[in-house]
Amino acid sequence: DAKTTQPPSMDCAEGRAANLPCNHSTISGNEYVYWYRQIHSQGPQYIIHGLKNNETNEMASLIITEDRKSSTLILPHATLRDTAVYYCIVRALEGAQKLVFGQGTRLTINP
Amino acid sequence: EAGVTQFPSHSVIEKGQTVTLRCDPISGHDNLYWYRRVMGKEIKFLLHFVKESKQDESGMPNNRFLAERTGGTYSTLKVQPAELEDSGVYFCASSQVAREGYGYTFGSGTRLTVV
Repeated sequence: DAKTTQPPSMDCAEGRAANLPCNHSTISGNEYVYWYRQIHSQGPQYIIHGLKNNETNEMASLIITEDRKSSTLILPHATLRDTAVYYCIVRALEGAQKLVFGQGTRLTINP
Repeated sequence: EAGVTQFPSHSVIEKGQTVTLRCDPISGHDNLYWYRRVMGKEIKFLLHFVKESKQDESGMPNNRFLAERTGGTYSTLKVQPAELEDSGVYFCASSQVAREGYGYTFGSGTRLTVV
């Protein structure tokens, strides 16, 4: 699976949009971009995933660059409950189904 | 729909003892995974079941760890004998088979402390 690079930490004001970047320059054509988050003392939580088109669901939006070498997770109106570690993971649909977690980005939402 | 349930939520045991962790996946999920995070490290994959069969156990650290999933329902992860470095949080996750990229559902984890 391709490796990802994320900033170790970010801050965002409550009510503002949180934009979390991820670089995955070695991503292969059959690999998806997944985002998970882990809120303190809980298990990781699936947020969103995409292949090459931008995606949106009730939790977030995912913007993938045209060359697919980077992506941005957008939390449109961040709340204090969004404080968590956010993981960007790339993996193929076929083959090994395990998730390879990196260090992630520790996002702190400030009141 | 009930989520992924793990038991116990916390366990404190002495070095050399045996501990068994249990995971109940979401009903109907054929795929079951174990992960763990040891102190200060990243979350690491341990193994993957498809129904009762081990699909990938490449992440199991050594033969002190034994995972089972009899009948393809709940799974247990036994550590025998436990060592200090086994301390950490053990997560279980489940997913349906062949669903296009849908995320796994994780349990809240079992925090294991070996003293």
